[in-house]
Amino acid sequence: AQSVTQLDSQVPVFEEAPVELRCNYSSSVSVYLFWYVQYPNQGLQLLLKYLSGSTLVESINGFEAEFNKSQTSFHLRKPSVHISDTAEYFCAVSADTGRRALTFGSGTRLQVQP
Amino acid sequence: GAGVSQTPSNKVTEKGKYVELRCDPISGHTALYWYRQSLGQGPEFLIYFQGTGAADDSGLPNDRFFAVRPEGSVSTLKIQRTERGDSAVYLCASSLGGWTEAFFGQGTRLTVV
Repeated sequence: AQSVTQLDSQVPVFEEAPVELRCNYSSSVSVYLFWYVQYPNQGLQLLLKYLSGSTLVESINGFEAEFNKSQTSFHLRKPSVHISDTAEYFCAVSADTGRRALTFGSGTRLQVQP
Repeated sequence: GAGVSQTPSNKVTEKGKYVELRCDPISGHTALYWYRQSLGQGPEFLIYFQGTGAADDSGLPNDRFFAVRPEGSVSTLKIQRTERGDSAVYLCASSLGGWTEAFFGQGTRLTVV
């Protein structure tokens, strides 16, 4: 079985400041990793994913995450946040066994302040 | 529609009643997923369909929960003898299969009173 820990339930940050949302996972098998975002009053949207290849993955809106197998982490970073990045961010993992079920963390609420 | 549609958006039911939650996936998407999200938690996997068959139903909490997808498109999640602990937002997602992006609906908020 897999588990995901998002230690920070809320992260307040000022606009144009850098941010890191932490995600650690536990699994006895190889995994695929995902970050989802939920903007206010909207459904979950895929932000980025790691399946294989380069351990650094990027989204179209400036976020990046790096898969660190030794530290079992997949932290999400952005060098300069915008007010519009205010949302709930969920880290998720799936086992590399053919199952398609995602195990989600409890989420981190990113609150960008002017 | 362009996205995943879930109906109703809100459902209030009495303890012990039966409820059905509907999901209309994106046209052409063969994979369909149901998740449940309780307050302050991340989504919890319930069941995954590939076409008409349930490829993985390991997340269904007990035999009061059942889901169908008879024609490989619309899916219905059925909950019998509802309990207050079933109160949550039920999310549906669909994808083209494999590890292609899964698109989520806005969910059905179920409240059992």
